[in-house]
Amino acid sequence: EPEVTQTPSHQVTQMGQEVILRCVPISNHLYFYWYRQILGQKVEFLVSFYNNEISEKSEIFDDQFSVERPDGSNFTLKIRSTKLEDSAMYFCASAAEAVEQYFGPGTRLTVT
Amino acid sequence: AQSVTQLGSHVSVSEGALVLLRCNYSSSVPPYLFWYVQYPNQGLQLLLKYTSAATLVKGINGFEAEFKKSETSFHLTKPSAHMSDAAEYFCAVSGNTGGFKTIFGAGTRLFVKA
Repeated sequence: EPEVTQTPSHQVTQMGQEVILRCVPISNHLYFYWYRQILGQKVEFLVSFYNNEISEKSEIFDDQFSVERPDGSNFTLKIRSTKLEDSAMYFCASAAEAVEQYFGPGTRLTVT
Repeated sequence: AQSVTQLGSHVSVSEGALVLLRCNYSSSVPPYLFWYVQYPNQGLQLLLKYTSAATLVKGINGFEAEFKKSETSFHLTKPSAHMSDAAEYFCAVSGNTGGFKTIFGAGTRLFVKA
């Protein structure tokens, strides 16, 4: 069964560094999303992406964040200058028809 | 705007007892509703979804949920709890807004006692 994959599974970085989280969505999907979950808290929407542009972004998704679909298969989330509070699990999701999103296993980002 | 409220951050049941996890939603557009399960240090697994077809939805692992528009509820039930059901459960709502972003509830941690 097709699945969404994410790399790396765990990323440790120092405050102020740039990180790129990578996702490979399911191949025929057209809608892409990033969510994050701070330890012990609920899953929060960050951004939705369709037709090579952002559909919607949350308040969390400020100028430090950006998304890209560089090669038609990968979907990346970049954090330009990480802060301690960016430490979280980041989930990528994709969907064929928007309603049913398939989630990846997540990347745990630890900012020290 | 959409939101989800899960009543009870922790629920404890005995093995073999009924599981009932409560979820109420708010949505300005026709909602799509979901229940996800998350085991420790793992990702989100879809248990079941409501997408405007049958109001009683059956999912994996013996779970089911009923969409009640008049009560704006989508409670999750399972007739008989198993130890392996112990996990965090998230109710979520989506709809034709914001690219169908999914809004999650705060989660309910289910404990199952032997």
